Amino acid sequence: DVKVTQSSRYLVKRTGEKVFLECVQDMDHENMFWYRQDPGLGLRLIYFSYDVKMKEKGDIPEGYSVSREKKERFSLILESASTNQTSMYLCASSSTGIVTNEKLFFGSGTQLSVL
Amino acid sequence: AQSVTQPDIHITVSEGASLELRCNYSYGATPYLFWYVQSPGQGLQLLLKYFSGDTLVQGIKGFEAEFKRSQSSFNLRKPSVHWSDAAEYFCAVGPSGYSTLTFGKGTMLLVSP
Repeated sequence: DVKVTQSSRYLVKRTGEKVFLECVQDMDHENMFWYRQDPGLGLRLIYFSYDVKMKEKGDIPEGYSVSREKKERFSLILESASTNQTSMYLCASSSTGIVTNEKLFFGSGTQLSVL
Repeated sequence: AQSVTQPDIHITVSEGASLELRCNYSYGATPYLFWYVQSPGQGLQLLLKYFSGDTLVQGIKGFEAEFKRSQSSFNLRKPSVHWSDAAEYFCAVGPSGYSTLTFGKGTMLLVSP
């Protein structure tokens, strides 16, 4: 079965720490995405990537960066974690088909708490 | 800019009753429309999608949705709800080509015995 794997289900970090969230997909997908999910706000796109070493800002990129050194791996980096970055983080991938993003495959999410 | 509105934050339905979840979108051209479901502790899973053609689309788990251009709506329906349908449902819209989806804020479905 196809899979998007996020390295941690729960993560607790302190304010000011540098945080890495890892995502790996095994479907050879070109496109990868990072969303954050907050109650009452739905999903908001942080960053996405259409190819290795390529990245694009989403709707809320401030305070985040990303890295895509290999096709299967997309990392989200919080340079200096703050309490307002406490959230559920979802990684997704998709294939470039007739309609890009025809179907997004999601990981199970990482619940990050910043204390 | 594209946007999606899901007017209902929570909906409670009795098991066996019918279900309709509302979704309204704003987009300048023909949109690509999606419904995703998120079960507790899980990522999102695609239920169904509309690109073109027949405006009534069938999805997995017995769900269907109807695209109504005149009302800018893409409502999700199921004739008989099961307890396992309790989850959060997200409507999403996107244009074609290299672009990203915009998600609604979600509707939480509760199923009562």
